[in-house]
Amino acid sequence: QKEVEQNSGPLSVPEGAIASLNCTYSDRGSQSFFWYRQYSGKSPELIMSIYSNGDKEDGRFTAQLNKASQYVSLLIRDSQPSDSATYLCAVYFGNEKLTFGTGTRLTIIP
Amino acid sequence: SQTIHQWPATLVQPVGSPLSLECTVEGTSNPNLYWYRQAAGRGLQLLFYSVGIGQISSEVPQNLSASRPQDRQFILSSKKLLLSDSGFYLCAWSARGNQPQHFGDGTRLSIL
Repeated sequence: QKEVEQNSGPLSVPEGAIASLNCTYSDRGSQSFFWYRQYSGKSPELIMSIYSNGDKEDGRFTAQLNKASQYVSLLIRDSQPSDSATYLCAVYFGNEKLTFGTGTRLTIIP
Repeated sequence: SQTIHQWPATLVQPVGSPLSLECTVEGTSNPNLYWYRQAAGRGLQLLFYSVGIGQISSEVPQNLSASRPQDRQFILSSKKLLLSDSGFYLCAWSARGNQPQHFGDGTRLSIL
């Protein structure tokens, strides 16, 4: 069975620090990986896409992909209280369906 | 640019009543369309997806159904709602080829 696993948290990080969120997936052949942010009561919002090994940076966000180890991570630099949300990792396992992890709840402490 | 519209934002329905939720996408053609449900404090559960008009794949056996009467319109229906149908219903679209999905604002459904 194709699975995406995340630590549910909560993960508490002081304001200004780096928040590190991790995700592992079960299929070595996966090619497309995404991070979504979901505020309480709102719909998920795409924040990062990554398709190849290595790092991809977008502002304060960096996605890291290691296909050999089957993990993808999200780093948030200079964490702000507005970053407090649930972060969902999502992976395509080769069919047109996206498999989501259950999400990591992140709290930034002022 | 592409936009996705989903309505209503909130809905309160009695047990046994019918349901119809609609989702439309603008600014793209031939999208993949998806219906998800998210129970309170839980993950996303894929209910239905569609890769074309009239093509519906069901992921979870239940009293819900979906239809795609037009290329950019996706409808979630039920003839008789159950208490367990309560939740946050999300419509999403993506381009073909394992592209990221983009979500509508969702409908919060409460069954009384």
